[in-house]
Amino acid sequence: DARVTQTPRDKVTEMGQEVTMRCQPILGHNTVFWYRQTMMQGLELLAYFRNRAPLDDSGMPKDRFSAEMPDATLATLKIQPSEPRDSAVYFCASGLGQGGPLSNEQFFGPGTRLTVL
Amino acid sequence: SQKIEQNSEALNIQEGKTATLTCNYTNYSPAYLQWYRQDPGRGPVFLLLIRENEKEKRKERLKVTFDTTLKQSLFHITASQPADSATYLCALTPSSNTGKLIFGQGTTLQVKP
Repeated sequence: DARVTQTPRDKVTEMGQEVTMRCQPILGHNTVFWYRQTMMQGLELLAYFRNRAPLDDSGMPKDRFSAEMPDATLATLKIQPSEPRDSAVYFCASGLGQGGPLSNEQFFGPGTRLTVL
Repeated sequence: SQKIEQNSEALNIQEGKTATLTCNYTNYSPAYLQWYRQDPGRGPVFLLLIRENEKEKRKERLKVTFDTTLKQSLFHITASQPADSATYLCALTPSSNTGKLIFGQGTTLQVKP
């Protein structure tokens, strides 16, 4: 059955290193979201795309984070340089996103657990 | 400021009872409100969506209410089972023409046999 996939599932890195997380949305979904989840802040929206165009990245620290969709089957979230405060679970979600109730359901991937030492 | 609040304390109930979870929001006029379930180590899973002009929505043992005057949604699980134990997140859509969701912190439900 169709599902969102994310790689890697776990990543441990040292402060200052570059981290790239990848997401494959469900085929046919035109909206992709990146979230970060921590115990303190909960689930926060970092950025989202519709038809591969960035619509809102106001939740993302611009100096070190970047999000792209090179094609309709791949979304990436990059952190450079990484810092210990970036340690969190990063989720990708996809949806139809055309407006209206049926398109607002989001399908989440399993997440990437990032630990920055 | 804009806020979505869910009870941060875990809710513990006995199997067979009805669980009721609360979601309150301030300074939003959401077009839709959704509830998601999240199990440890997994991503959230969509459960129900309710529109601003709907008072109630049901799906099997689940029921959601939406009171835009009180700015509150209630999520009920009837005849609860241990398998219902999870964290439940409410999320609202700030406007109808985007897919953007703002999530609450979630409430953990523990159903004891």
